Amino acid sequence: DIQMTQSPSSLSASVGDRVAITCRASQNISKYLNWYQQKPGTVPDLLIYGASTLQNGVPSRFGGSGSGTHFTLTISSLQPDDFATYYCQQTYSDLHSFGQGTKLEIK
Amino acid sequence: QVQLQESGPGLVKPSQTLSLTCSVSGGSLSSGPFYWTWIRLPAGKGLVWIGRVSADGSANYNPSLKSRVTISIDTSKNQFSLNLNSVTAADQAVYYCVRSWPRHHHALDVWGQGTTVTVSS
Repeated sequence: DIQMTQSPSSLSASVGDRVAITCRASQNISKYLNWYQQKPGTVPDLLIYGASTLQNGVPSRFGGSGSGTHFTLTISSLQPDDFATYYCQQTYSDLHSFGQGTKLEIK
Repeated sequence: QVQLQESGPGLVKPSQTLSLTCSVSGGSLSSGPFYWTWIRLPAGKGLVWIGRVSADGSANYNPSLKSRVTISIDTSKNQFSLNLNSVTAADQAVYYCVRSWPRHHHALDVWGQGTTVTVSS
């Protein structure tokens, strides 16, 4: 099974900050890495697929990079709407798995 | 616009079987290259991939749940289903049915609203 590890588990930041969340895979997953945002009480939203491709409608301040085992989600300038929990997901094998999540809070 | 909607009991007794159905509208389960997936979110924890099924009925499951879970598809009703037997309190969660698109690295792009399942006698 492929294990996904996100860091940090939680993060405090201010509006306007640039933040980065990392996701590491326990083995090579090429670019089969997706990112989701979930706000409390709402359905998760797909942000990025294939490690770096922005889903339609997602603001350009979100960016993804990486391949193999190391991936990064970057938010270039935090907006109030961005405070949420973020998950990475690997889809390289037939058994998909999520990271444990990163909770992004307002400082 | 494809839409997914979960249905099923919100309360299940310990040791019994949790059964949920996902009804799909705005598109056919039997057309297109999609996989149909179940995800859960336990309170205070992270997302868990339960498993997926394709239009031809082939399924993949989370190894930690594999002995208890079955995901099936009924293309005539445009529905797919989740059965999880021998439930315990650890199975309490919000359960989501979701579409997965292979062309987009199997990303989960269309989600149902989720249904809350409580396990209690």
